[in-house]
Amino acid sequence: ETGVTQTPRHLVMGMTNKKSLKCEQHLGHNAMYWYKQSAKKPLELMFVYNFKEQTENNSVPSRFSPECPNSSHLFLHLHTLQPEDSALYLCASSQAPGQGLDQPQHFGDGTRLSIL
Amino acid sequence: GDSVTQMEGPVTLSEEAFLTINCTYTATGYPSLFWYVQYPGEGLQLLLKATKADDKGSNKGFEATYRKETTSFHLEKGSVQVSDSAVYFCALISGGYNKLIFGAGTRLAVHP
Repeated sequence: ETGVTQTPRHLVMGMTNKKSLKCEQHLGHNAMYWYKQSAKKPLELMFVYNFKEQTENNSVPSRFSPECPNSSHLFLHLHTLQPEDSALYLCASSQAPGQGLDQPQHFGDGTRLSIL
Repeated sequence: GDSVTQMEGPVTLSEEAFLTINCTYTATGYPSLFWYVQYPGEGLQLLLKATKADDKGSNKGFEATYRKETTSFHLEKGSVQVSDSAVYFCALISGGYNKLIFGAGTRLAVHP
C-alpha cells in the first residue's frame, strides 16, 4: 500500500545529531499519528494530530518534536536521542473522529532508527 | 482502561493447517475491532474490521466475528499458506476517539 509514505526507510544517527523523519499521506485523511515499535513491546502511540492540531502527546520526551504543517504531512524532529530510542517509527493516517464510524488507520512502512 | 489481550506466539503451523489466533478485549461502550498484519520489513496493514456485535469481518480468507458476550474477536483461516507468515495485531477503537489500542501481536510462522 502506497497511501502513506515514510522517509527515510532507515536512519543511523549519533546521540548528538539532529534529524527528521517525514510522513506523507495521499488518502485525503485529516488525522495523522506517530507510533514507536520496539522489539518485544506493544506498539506505543506517541502523538495524534487532528486537522493539523496536536490532540495527544503520550508523555513523549521532548527530544522528539512533531510538526504537522498540513493534513497531508507529518514530521518527527529528533535531537540528542538515546540508545533506547532505537526502534521502528510508524506513521499512520485516518479520518478524524466524527467523520463516521470508527475509521481504521492506514500505516506507512516505517523508519528503522538506530542510535549509536 | 481499554485493553486488548492476544495469545502469545509464536504460532507455528504447516501449510494448509487451520489457524486460530485468540483475541479478547476490555472496553467501555461498544468498540470497533480490527486485525492488522505486519509482514517482515513493512508497516501494519489493515486485514479486517467489525464495528458492531455479531459482525463478521473477512479478507484474504481470514475471518473474525465480533462476540460481545465473550468480548472476543478471534482470527481464523481455514488453510494457511507460507505467505501468511507475519505478525498479527488485534486492536480496538472506542468512544468515538481515534486512539487505537493494540494487543502485543502474535507471530505466525507457516512451514511448507
